[in-house]
Amino acid sequence: AQSVTQPDIHITVSEGASLELRCNYSYGATPYLFWYVQSPGQGLQLLLKYFSGDTLVQGIKGFEAEFKRSQSSFNLRKPSVHWSDAAEYFCAVGEGNNDMRFGAGTRLTVKP
Amino acid sequence: DVKVTQSSRYLVKRTGEKVFLECVQDMDHENMFWYRQDPGLGLRLIYFSYDVKMKEKGDIPEGYSVSREKKERFSLILESASTNQTSMYLCASSRRTGGADTQYFGPGTRLTVL
Repeated sequence: AQSVTQPDIHITVSEGASLELRCNYSYGATPYLFWYVQSPGQGLQLLLKYFSGDTLVQGIKGFEAEFKRSQSSFNLRKPSVHWSDAAEYFCAVGEGNNDMRFGAGTRLTVKP
Repeated sequence: DVKVTQSSRYLVKRTGEKVFLECVQDMDHENMFWYRQDPGLGLRLIYFSYDVKMKEKGDIPEGYSVSREKKERFSLILESASTNQTSMYLCASSRRTGGADTQYFGPGTRLTVL
């Protein structure tokens, strides 16, 4: 069965610093990969997704992610973090329509 | 813009009560989902529906049932609420495609069972 691991439960970065959130998956086929963000008290919002093609994908709010098949990873990056990026981030992997698996989430704190 | 709405943001119920959580989407999506979100566990799928009156169990269906009488509406029912069902409940919808597609989420219902 597929699974998704986000190794970091909580990350703290200073405003303006770069950010990388890790995501590893276990999947037999070529997966569909997603990153979602959840602000406090809100539902999840899609940041970006990878289905095929260029392994570096751009998303909203200045985020990008790179699919590395050899490492089974889909890490999320941002060159310069803003205070408004403080939130919880979820990596998700899917195959079929009804087969989406979410990681446990990484909570991001941004220091002024 | 896709909009998914949930009937309540916060709900407090007593043990043994029957609880209804409602979800409505306005994008004519075929698929609808109910998840439960708990700290450290991420999102776990309770039930999903790929068409009107169709439903399939997810990973944690015990203690829950669902109803989908109209395409835009998907209800989650707790037949007899228990304290271990205290959680955040998220509804989502998506198109039915050949593979996994973006799921659009509602704001969530935080349910407390006393």
